[in-house]
Parts: sequence; structure tokens; C-alpha cells
Amino acid sequence: GAVVSQHPSRVICKSGTSVKIECRSLDFQATTMFWYRQFPKQSLMLMATSNEGSKATYEQGVEKDKFLINHASLTLSTLTVTSAHPEDSSFYICSASDPGDTEAFFGQGTRLTVV
Amino acid sequence: SQKIEQNSEALNIQEGKTATLTCNYTNYSPAYLQWYRQDPGRGPVFLLLIRENEKEKRKERLKVTFDTTLKQSLFHITASQPADSATYLCALDNQAGTALIFGKGTTLSVSS
Repeated sequence: GAVVSQHPSRVICKSGTSVKIECRSLDFQATTMFWYRQFPKQSLMLMATSNEGSKATYEQGVEKDKFLINHASLTLSTLTVTSAHPEDSSFYICSASDPGDTEAFFGQGTRLTVV
Repeated sequence: SQKIEQNSEALNIQEGKTATLTCNYTNYSPAYLQWYRQDPGRGPVFLLLIRENEKEKRKERLKVTFDTTLKQSLFHITASQPADSATYLCALDNQAGTALIFGKGTTLSVSS
């Protein structure tokens, strides 16, 4: 199946700083990628849909100015958590689908800890 | 709004037995339903997809059923092994058909 790579896998940052997470589709072009957040023992919650060459679509309750998404190429989407707070600590996961497929391929996830 | 429920948070079974996990959904008629496996600290991995016009799908030791009348899918692992221990997630496409929404998952533990 298709491969989606996410980096970094773990990051610890101080409150008030910004953190960038990268999501790459390695063997296919993804016009659309998705960003999810997962708290312990909870479901994956869709945060936003990242569209190549246009603005991301955010789910209700997700602050677009806090979670900046950039999808500058067909193989790369980035999520920047700005002015991070401890409550932003979570597991962030990206996914993409190979055009023509319905299944989603997920990155390895990024464990963000804000101290 | 759409709602997905997986019947239990945790399921413990003995090696060799069949594990059966349940996924129920409301307020929606999805075109297809998917099952994923997630290991701790990792992203989900796709297992099976079943379409609304399919009753059953099999892949090796895995079997999925889809009852659109009951709005329910059952996920079976036969001859379970300790390596099958993981969290299994049920997922549906959202009503816009643009993204997947997930249940909370059922954590399966297979003991030897």
C-alpha cells in the first residue's frame, strides 16, 4: 500500500513556542491530506482537511490561527501548532489517500508534549 | 450528526478463540465502512473495507459483516493470536464524503 511518513515522531516543547509537524506521501501524490488529534483512550478527531494549493478546511471548534496548515506541494502538508500550551499535548496523526482509493494511509503519528 | 459506537472499550480472549468486535452507527447511511488496527503510539493501519451492497468480506483470518438495516458491522478475528492484541477502529466516511470519522476503538488482548 501507499506510504505516508510523518516527522517528528516525538517532540517536547516549552509553552508559548511553536512546533511544526510534517506529513509526506512518499509514493503517490495527495491533493488532500487530513490531520487528526487523538487523546488517550479516545477516538481520532478530525481537525482539518489540507488541500494542496488552497486553504485548509477546519472542523468546528478547531482554531485555524492556532493550528496552521500548509499544503504547498502534492506530497507535503505541514501542521504548525502555534503558541503551544500544555493542553495541546496530544497525539497528532496525518493521513492521505491515493487518488482512486478509498482506504486511508496514516503517518506514524507525532506525540507532542508541551511543558 | 453522525455517531459511531464500538460496543466495548476492551475485550480479553484466549489464544485460538474467535474475537468479535461490534461497530454501530446512527444518523447516517454510509457508502462503505472500514476497519483499522492501531498499535500503541502508532498511526492506524487499514485492514478491510466493506461496501453497503456487500454483506460480508474476508481476508485471511479476518471477516467483516455489514448490516445496513441494523446499522451495524461485526469484525471477527478467527484463531486469534497474541500478536492480534491491538486497538481496532471502525471508520465511516463523513456525510460530505471528504474524510473519515472514527469510533473510539476496542482494545483486544489475546492471552496465550
